Amino acid sequence: VQLQESGPGLVTPSQTLSLTCTVSGDSISSGDYYWTWIRQLPGKGLEWIGYIFYTGTTYYSPSLKSRITLSIDTSTHQFSLDLSAFTAADTAIYYCARGSVTAAFDIWGQGTLVTVSS
Amino acid sequence: QSALTQPASVSGSPGQSITISCTGTSSNVGSYNFVSWYQQHPGNAPKLMIYEVTKRPSGVSSRFSGSKSGKTASLTISGLQAEDEAYYYCCSFEGRGTSWVFGGGTKLTVL
Repeated sequence: VQLQESGPGLVTPSQTLSLTCTVSGDSISSGDYYWTWIRQLPGKGLEWIGYIFYTGTTYYSPSLKSRITLSIDTSTHQFSLDLSAFTAADTAIYYCARGSVTAAFDIWGQGTLVTVSS
Repeated sequence: QSALTQPASVSGSPGQSITISCTGTSSNVGSYNFVSWYQQHPGNAPKLMIYEVTKRPSGVSSRFSGSKSGKTASLTISGLQAEDEAYYYCCSFEGRGTSWVFGGGTKLTVL
C-alpha cells in the first residue's frame, strides 16, 4: 500500500490550498480505514487535520474546521484536502495517511512541503 | 502548545534502555486505550511503532514497548541502537470532538 500527495508547493496568502492523495495497492473503498490528513509545522510537532471515510463522512480538527473541506473520489482512488484562507501560519509539510480501526495511522505518504508565496 | 506533553529530549548509550513519557488529560490518554507512537527520522515521514498503547505492528522490533498509567503513556526502547536515534511522537484519540492529538515530540540521542 502506498500513499502519494500531490499539489502546489506555493500558495498565495488568503487563497485556498488544494492537495490530493492517491492511494495505490489497497482499496480506498474499504470500510476498515479512514483517510487522513496530518501536517507538521516547521520544526514543530504533528497536527491532525481531519479524515474522511469512503462514504464521504468527515471529521475535522476543531481548530481548523471552519477552513477545511475533505473530499473523496473512489473511482480514481484519491482523496483531497482544501484549506482556505491560507496564511504563513499554515506553512507545513502536509501528509496523507491511512487510519485504521486501531485508531492509529499505519501508512503515510512521503509528505509535501507547502509554503506561502511572498 | 501541544495537547500531549513529552520531554523535549532524552538520551542513552547503546545497549541501555530509555523511556519517553506522554502526559495527556482525561479527555484523551486518560480515557482511551488508543495511544500510538511514531518514529521519525529527519526528512522522512513518521512510522508507526506502537498502537493501542502496547501493540507492535508487524516488522517493528520487540525492543519497542508501550504502556499506560492513568493520563500518562510511555514508550520504552531497550537495547538502544544507533538507528533508534530519531524523533518520537505520541498520539491519542480524543473523544471530545472525535479527533486525534499529538505530543510535541521527543528527540532521542544515542550517545
